[in-house]
Amino acid sequence: ETGVTQTPRHLVMGMTNKKSLKCEQHLGHNAMYWYKQSAKKPLELMFVYSLEERVENNSVPSRFSPECPNSSHLFLHLHTLQPEDSALYLCASSQELVGHLSGELFFGEGSRLTVL
Amino acid sequence: KQEVTQIPAALSVPEGENLVLNCSFTDSAIYNLQWFRQDPGKGLTSLLLIQSSQREQTSGRLNASLDKSSGRSTLYIAASQPGDSATYLCAACNQAGTALIFGKGTTLSVSS
Repeated sequence: ETGVTQTPRHLVMGMTNKKSLKCEQHLGHNAMYWYKQSAKKPLELMFVYSLEERVENNSVPSRFSPECPNSSHLFLHLHTLQPEDSALYLCASSQELVGHLSGELFFGEGSRLTVL
Repeated sequence: KQEVTQIPAALSVPEGENLVLNCSFTDSAIYNLQWFRQDPGKGLTSLLLIQSSQREQTSGRLNASLDKSSGRSTLYIAASQPGDSATYLCAACNQAGTALIFGKGTTLSVSS
């Protein structure tokens, strides 16, 4: 198993659908992150979890709902999205939060989301 | 609020050249800075992590430096190869130490 696994890799959904993105890390890390990557924009931080508690919520619309049931899994629940939400959603993990000595960030391959 | 800028946005060089990618950040009180590589349609691969107490880090043909006082970092790639073609992203830690803030990246093309 690779370090950080994201599923599905590609997702097409309508604006009224409900879907979820899943992230699993096999590195024994304590912190997990969701980032959004849109064309011609830098990666945007969405959510940060440390030991299953949310520590950062970067003014993300409520149609995106994160869930971290344990330190190995992170979900992003999607509901009534807009076409401008189409992007690559990247999950990452680190041993501790990035401000620590062991804060090196490791990314998954991403989930490419298209909202019609 | 931490902001990260990368120059140039794109760079094309012939194989074998040594090159430098630049990164600047606004908040010099960073905990660390990390350089990544991203191939088209893929996730990010960590290249080098520099802690705030360090001046540089090296891995193979890559060398990254950090100058906190001037708010700058550089990634030096020696003897570039076509396989080095990718987008290189710089990211600095935010003030709270909870996440990395990214620049837009430099897209490198190395021709054979």
